Amino acid sequence: GDSVTQTEGLVTLTEGLPVMLNCTYQTAYSTFLFWYVQHLNEAPKLLLKSSTDNKRTEHQGFHATLHKSSSSFHLQKSSAQLSDSALYYCALSVQVVGQLTFGSGTRLQVYA
Amino acid sequence: EAAVTQSPRSKVAVTGGKVTLSCHQTNNHDYMYWYRQDTGHGLRLIHYSYVADSTEKGDIPDGYKASRPSQENFSLILELASLSQTAVYFCASSDPGGSYEQYFGPGTRLTVL
Repeated sequence: GDSVTQTEGLVTLTEGLPVMLNCTYQTAYSTFLFWYVQHLNEAPKLLLKSSTDNKRTEHQGFHATLHKSSSSFHLQKSSAQLSDSALYYCALSVQVVGQLTFGSGTRLQVYA
Repeated sequence: EAAVTQSPRSKVAVTGGKVTLSCHQTNNHDYMYWYRQDTGHGLRLIHYSYVADSTEKGDIPDGYKASRPSQENFSLILELASLSQTAVYFCASSDPGGSYEQYFGPGTRLTVL
């Protein structure tokens, strides 16, 4: 079946350092990949999405590139900010079914 | 902007009692979903619905029922609440015509004592 793997449960960084959160997936279908961000006591909100192989997608300083050859969609940012501290979910949608499969989430904690 | 609201925002229930969580969306979306969030498990799908008056089981449906009386409203029902159902519950909606991006409500924090 479809699955999403986020290997890091917690990532801690000092402000100003680069961010990279890993996401790999398994699916037999054509799909969209998403990154959702959830700040404390808030709803998950869409950060990025892509279905195009090898195309960089950017939003709010974050970027990700879907690599179908390696089934990866890693989230990156050049310089972490305190306000980036949040829970980040990688997810995939299988268009035939219309559901999202979420990874277990990575908590990013940025310190001054 | 798309809007999904949930009520109540928090609830304390007793073991064995009945709990109903409500969700309302004004997005004109056909698809609606209920998830529970637990630390270490992420977001897990409980029930979903493609159309009014029809619901489907998700990945963890045991102990939960769902009701979709209209396109806008989707309820999650715990007939006999248990301690293990203490969690945060999120409702979401999506448009089947696009990427299936989901819009989430603010969540309901349920504590079962």
